[in-house]
Amino acid sequence: AQSVTQLGSHVSVSEGALVLLRCNYSSSVPPYLFWYVQYPNQGLQLLLKYTSAATLVKGINGFEAEFKKSETSFHLTKPSAHMSDAAEYFCAVSEAGGTSYGKLTFGQGTILTVHP
Amino acid sequence: KAGVTQTPRYLIKTRGQQVTLSCSPISGHRSVSWYQQTPGQGLQFLFEYFSETQRNKGNFPGRFSGRQFSNSRSEMNVSTLELGDSALYLCASSLYPGRTGGESNEQFFGPGTRLTVL
Repeated sequence: AQSVTQLGSHVSVSEGALVLLRCNYSSSVPPYLFWYVQYPNQGLQLLLKYTSAATLVKGINGFEAEFKKSETSFHLTKPSAHMSDAAEYFCAVSEAGGTSYGKLTFGQGTILTVHP
Repeated sequence: KAGVTQTPRYLIKTRGQQVTLSCSPISGHRSVSWYQQTPGQGLQFLFEYFSETQRNKGNFPGRFSGRQFSNSRSEMNVSTLELGDSALYLCASSLYPGRTGGESNEQFFGPGTRLTVL
């Protein structure tokens, strides 16, 4: 079974400050890990993904995440927040090569607020 | 390349009715997954179809069903609607989930169908 825990349902930062959104996962097999962003009244957009290649993954809009197997973590960071980053962020896991076809397990989401 | 499309975008129904939602995947994608998003339960996996076969199912009652056509388009149906079925229903497509190789597992989401049950 797989699960995802996102620490902090709300994170607030100032424009220009570091963004850190936390994600811990549980998986019985090697995982694929994803970060998605959702803007109001829209679907999910993929920010970045980990698929067992490099442990430091760079995504769109200046975001990156580091896979740490020993800590079962996949935290999302961005060095400098922009007002346009305000949205809800979801961490998700799927099983690599497993039988959980097409199933993503999501965390509860973190709402990021960016203050001017 | 066109993205995932879902129709309708908004829907209002009353309790006891049934509803059908439609999803057209990205051209060439063979898998379609459905998710329900609610404020209380978050994003939950409903089911996944590949080559017209349901391969995986989440923990939802039998009132929730789906199908996939030969062109990979998918529909989901909810019968005997309940107030708690009010949600955003998201469809996602991918090339070939389950096969090792990151690109195959990447899911692309549509804008969703907002269902309100009165």
